[in-house]
Amino acid sequence: DGGITQSPKYLFRKEGQNVTLSCEQNLNHDAMYWYRQDPGQGLRLIYYSQIVNDFQKGDIAEGYSVSREKKESFPLTVTSAQKNPTAFYLCASSQGGTNRETQYFGPGTRLLVL
Amino acid sequence: AQTVTQSQPEMSVQEAETVTLSCTYDTSESDYYLFWYKQPPSRQMILVIRQEAYKQQNATENRFSVNFQKAAKSFSLKISDSQLGDAAMYFCAYSFNTDKLIFGTGTRLQVFP
Repeated sequence: DGGITQSPKYLFRKEGQNVTLSCEQNLNHDAMYWYRQDPGQGLRLIYYSQIVNDFQKGDIAEGYSVSREKKESFPLTVTSAQKNPTAFYLCASSQGGTNRETQYFGPGTRLLVL
Repeated sequence: AQTVTQSQPEMSVQEAETVTLSCTYDTSESDYYLFWYKQPPSRQMILVIRQEAYKQQNATENRFSVNFQKAAKSFSLKISDSQLGDAAMYFCAYSFNTDKLIFGTGTRLQVFP
């Protein structure tokens, strides 16, 4: 089955720790995205990548980092510089990275701070 | 700046009835795309329907249809013959450029039997 997988489903972070959220897609999509969802708010864009080895900051990139070494993978690292990381994180992908393309979402990862 | 506003935090509907969810947006662009996404309790975002701004015809997908009023910058979602499985958060989203979807804050829809 084609789709987007995210792991883990739940992740706990200790103070000062970096953690990495996984996102994999087998849809052969060029573009991938990371969003953050907080209660009572819509999704906000963290980072996006339209092609391998290239990515751009979204609206709330501070305290996060990404890599895009393979077309199917776009991991997100939440660094210790992100002071309020507790949120639900959603990964998405689209065929060509233009506004014509629909973005399809993974099941999400909930990050909690211990 | 482009913004998306959903003014109804919560809505409810009885099974088999029709409900309309509101969405307005602010943009100075003429070519853009609008979307409605559904987020059930599983929290995975599911595309419900999309509308290209250059198309005057309102998009429909089975029981879901939109009322797209470009001049008024309004994009409402109508759900006909509501089912219990329609209960979810619904997000309106706007896309102009390659880099982002701009989301509203969502409307929680409850469906009563």
